[in-house]
Amino acid sequence: SQELEQSPQSLIVQEGKNLTINCTSSKTLYGLYWYKQKYGEGLIFLMMLQKGGEEKSHEKITAKLDEKKQQSSLHITASQPSHAGIYLCGADMYTGTASKLTFGTGTRLQVTL
Amino acid sequence: DGGITQSPKYLFRKEGQNVTLSCEQNLNHDAMYWYRQDPGQGLRLIYYSQIVNDFQKGDIAEGYSVSREKKESFPLTVTSAQKNPTAFYLCASRFVSGANVLTFGAGSRLTVL
Repeated sequence: SQELEQSPQSLIVQEGKNLTINCTSSKTLYGLYWYKQKYGEGLIFLMMLQKGGEEKSHEKITAKLDEKKQQSSLHITASQPSHAGIYLCGADMYTGTASKLTFGTGTRLQVTL
Repeated sequence: DGGITQSPKYLFRKEGQNVTLSCEQNLNHDAMYWYRQDPGQGLRLIYYSQIVNDFQKGDIAEGYSVSREKKESFPLTVTSAQKNPTAFYLCASRFVSGANVLTFGAGSRLTVL
């Protein structure tokens, strides 16, 4: 079973509209990362959240981590065609001896003109 | 410039053949990771290594093998035992201590003919 669930799986929005992508875990998140991917390319880091209630913004993208540290949201304001791509959340999962970064299923965003 | 280099970008393989994907980083990162991405899906962890000469299985290690003889190199071999090897493979690295951002390579696309 997937440890990180993302919703929605895909999203089509009109340019200028706002949108929100969610990332949920059944476990406490000790480091939540948001990445963006263009099709067929590597992942580009967007933001990292660590503290419950933390919120970070970069240009028109805002990411939040809830107080319980089990859910994060990514909000894009006034979407543009450049925002199109796949958004993935990732989280540190400690195995006792090592830390592995696992990812959600991804959200594919299309922005129409 | 520092970064992660994956090669080859595209690779075609006949059934029954082993292939090795290269991953080299010059970021002096301690940990290195291999992920597999299938169309419409998120990233799944294959193997990861936090130190030279040591590595751990991820969630889908069957049919794959790795080595970590040098800090900067983490090659992945896709063996003939991997039932469905056609996928996009991503290598990543980061520092071990604390919650640190993963840096990704551009990926390698493997197609089995």
